[in-house]
Amino acid sequence: GESVGLHLPTLSVQEGDNSIINCAYSNSASDYFIWYKQESGKGPQFIIDIRSNMDKRQGQRVTVLLNKTVKHLSLQIAATQPGDSAVYFCAETFGNEKLTFGTGTRLTIIP
Amino acid sequence: NAGVTQTPKFRILKIGQSMTLQCTQDMNHNYMYWYRQDPGMGLKLIYYSVGAGITDKGEVPNGYNVSRSTTEDFPLRLELAAPSQTSVYFCASSSLTGRRGTGELFFGEGSRLTVL
Repeated sequence: GESVGLHLPTLSVQEGDNSIINCAYSNSASDYFIWYKQESGKGPQFIIDIRSNMDKRQGQRVTVLLNKTVKHLSLQIAATQPGDSAVYFCAETFGNEKLTFGTGTRLTIIP
Repeated sequence: NAGVTQTPKFRILKIGQSMTLQCTQDMNHNYMYWYRQDPGMGLKLIYYSVGAGITDKGEVPNGYNVSRSTTEDFPLRLELAAPSQTSVYFCASSSLTGRRGTGELFFGEGSRLTVL
């Protein structure tokens, strides 16, 4: 079956620096991608999404980049803050109602 | 609004026992989902529902059952608990997903289940 995977399970970043979290997907037919943030003991929260007809989308301090050629997705967080410490998941859908989640990357912000 | 509410938050079961995880949402969402999350892993879809009276299997449905008699409620039933079902269970809801809307699933706080 198809899968969504992450390159790095953990990432430590100095407070104030930018962070980049990567995600690889294997299904070239996937047409919609979402990043979620999960804080300790809580359910995941939606951060930002992007459709396959776009290469880049920006939100508040976050940017998602999609490279369909190499089936790669990344989440950039600018000027990281302590509250950004969490596990980040990418998810994809193939045009139906189900989302497939990746393993997740734990981001730790160093004061 | 309470959003998505799950009960119980914690439960310890013995092998072979049965239980139901409750999930209710007050956002009038059509789509509801049950995921399980094992330690250090992502979320795997157990069952989902696109509306009252309609349910469908996800990636890992074995050992579970669901029902959707109302828009608000989507309980998950474990009939014969096994140690492999030790996990954190998340219920989620959405108004629309995929092509027809956003992927914004609203998650509950999770139910931590241990089977001994």
